[in-house]
Amino acid sequence: KAGVTQTPRYLIKTRGQQVTLSCSPISGHRSVSWYQQTPGQGLQFLFEYFSETQRNKGNFPGRFSGRQFSNSRSEMNVSTLELGDSALYLCASSLAGPITRDTYNEQFFGPGTRLTVL
Amino acid sequence: QKEVEQNSGPLSVPEGAIASLNCTYSDRVSQSFFWYRQYSGKSPELIMSIYSNGDKEDGRFTAQLNKASQYVSLLIRDSQPSDSATYLCAVNRAGGTSYGKLTFGQGTILTVHP
Repeated sequence: KAGVTQTPRYLIKTRGQQVTLSCSPISGHRSVSWYQQTPGQGLQFLFEYFSETQRNKGNFPGRFSGRQFSNSRSEMNVSTLELGDSALYLCASSLAGPITRDTYNEQFFGPGTRLTVL
Repeated sequence: QKEVEQNSGPLSVPEGAIASLNCTYSDRVSQSFFWYRQYSGKSPELIMSIYSNGDKEDGRFTAQLNKASQYVSLLIRDSQPSDSATYLCAVNRAGGTSYGKLTFGQGTILTVHP
């Protein structure tokens, strides 16, 4: 079974621009979560989508947004980029659904998109 | 107090020894606990998940959970140089407003020297 894929793998942007990152989950996984990883703050949760609906959101400004499509693929967008947005952006997929089974919570990460803002 | 705290590193052990990684969490409602391994320049890789009090073994890895003490640990037996990585502890409340949200510790850098 193919793993989580993310595109692009690397991006260089300048301040004020916007960027869109893409994530394709493991086949059959319906939940996609996004994280930002920086040396100073570690891994921080951005938001989670399930069945095209955002179910949860972390403490990030409104410049960070996302969506999920009917095939569970997800995109996140960052508008008006700032230098501090330079980070590794990771998406993770899981089975997660209304059925309460522990393993449904297991999240599997993609390779990430390394964003550099100049 | 941080929500998830890991023992400060870096941790250095000789090849063949047992590496012990510890993690405490502050939210008593936490239900799911995970250990991820992250090699430098790579993304986190899930190596263990644990949901009930006690031990869970998988090969050379053993996860231990004590919900009363809000403590979870990872033991790596017969440590190999290839185990050298950053180990991340992650916690999930499950359900409600915690859907899909893992809260991570800051990570412990493990070095296994030959």
